Amino acid sequence: DTEVTQTPKHLVMGMTNKKSLKCEQHMGHRAMYWYKQKAKKPPELMFVYSYEKLSINESVPSRFSPECPNSSLLNLHLHALQPEDSALYLCASSQVFEGETQYFGPGTRLLVL
Amino acid sequence: SQQGEEDPQALSIQEGENATMNCSYKTSINNLQWYRQNSGRGLVHLILIRSNEREKHSGRLRVTLDTSKKSSSLLITASRAADTASYFCATLNQTGANNLFFGTGTRLTVIP
Repeated sequence: DTEVTQTPKHLVMGMTNKKSLKCEQHMGHRAMYWYKQKAKKPPELMFVYSYEKLSINESVPSRFSPECPNSSLLNLHLHALQPEDSALYLCASSQVFEGETQYFGPGTRLLVL
Repeated sequence: SQQGEEDPQALSIQEGENATMNCSYKTSINNLQWYRQNSGRGLVHLILIRSNEREKHSGRLRVTLDTSKKSSSLLITASRAADTASYFCATLNQTGANNLFFGTGTRLTVIP
């Protein structure tokens, strides 16, 4: 199984809502990532988890809160988002070793109204 | 905090022609990877070339790396309409952290 799954595929939320994005992989990868991608732009790294511990936080606002409950799951909790947070949110996973290929999920397209 | 710049930004070719995309980066790297993204979808890894390699092939793909010029190129031979997608180079810094920096991307359109 070389698939990374993400739910939901689409999400529309108001600025006062709380929602969560979910990501799952069963490849035994111990590194998982969240990226944000705006239209016609490259993905930008948000968070990296290594062995279920947060290892990189690229200065992401606190309205984004990641969680890694176990080695297969990665969540991104959203609260009090702004319209400019509307984007495609991509999850990826890889082996922990440096420079390993990352496997991406299909993404969650988020619209904040 | 993008590290790579790609050119051209957009490329339109006829089916059967070759497509070449270039990537330049700024700092020393461990390896350089190329990814493909169909519109609004996730990224798919195409090929990885390590800093001590100069050229690598995978099917219709040929990647070169020139670390002295901090540049790489991706050649797709005998293009097909299904190759229409955005192509990104990505580099891993020599910091030990497993974070990729993606280039600005090339949007390739292959006309049937």
